[in-house]
Amino acid sequence: GAGVSQSPRYKVAKRGQDVALRCDPISGHVSLFWYQQALGQGPEFLTYFQNEAQLDKSGLPSDRFFAERPEGSVSTLKIQRTQQEDSAVYLCATLSEFWAPLHFGNGTRLTVT
Amino acid sequence: DAKTTQPNSMESNEEEPVHLPCNHSTISGTDYIHWYRQLPSQGPEYVIHGLTSNVNNRMASLAIAEDRKSSTLILHRATLRDAAVYYCILGNMEYGNKLVFGAGTILRVKS
Repeated sequence: GAGVSQSPRYKVAKRGQDVALRCDPISGHVSLFWYQQALGQGPEFLTYFQNEAQLDKSGLPSDRFFAERPEGSVSTLKIQRTQQEDSAVYLCATLSEFWAPLHFGNGTRLTVT
Repeated sequence: DAKTTQPNSMESNEEEPVHLPCNHSTISGTDYIHWYRQLPSQGPEYVIHGLTSNVNNRMASLAIAEDRKSSTLILHRATLRDAAVYYCILGNMEYGNKLVFGAGTILRVKS
């Protein structure tokens, strides 16, 4: 079946622009995670949803970052007033049951110029 | 969050076994040991996980020390497609299965 789908694959934004990154989870996967991966580093946790409830947003770096999952399926990560330090790959991961493996998408590479 | 320590990089010859070490001296009794790998330009993919006993699957084997303070991921016959960054991660139900990634080990495979 289809895996986790993220769009767009690449996004170039001018500093100060708002961006929205989309994650389509595997059907039926109730848990959804967002990670940020800077070049040469491991992914860093941003936020976690269980269905539509955002249970953990401790990793969001500033109030410019906002994530939502209104119907418990598709999720959007929004970054307002982008800065150069926001340039990274943003990864979405989902899982079906609590101890099931995480399934990652291939990410959105955001470049802020 | 419990921490793991891995070598920055390792090199292997094709068709030979590879042993990737991971130290986790502060592991708690409820921490599972997870391994993921990330190929270039892709998201991480699950490799294997375990709690106390050694584990085998079609991709790899996981050997866990008796005191659980270290573990080793074993790739039985490395191929060029195994060249990736390998992450050893501790996961705990208390934290909602949130996985905290480190820098991982870059595995290079020579033909």
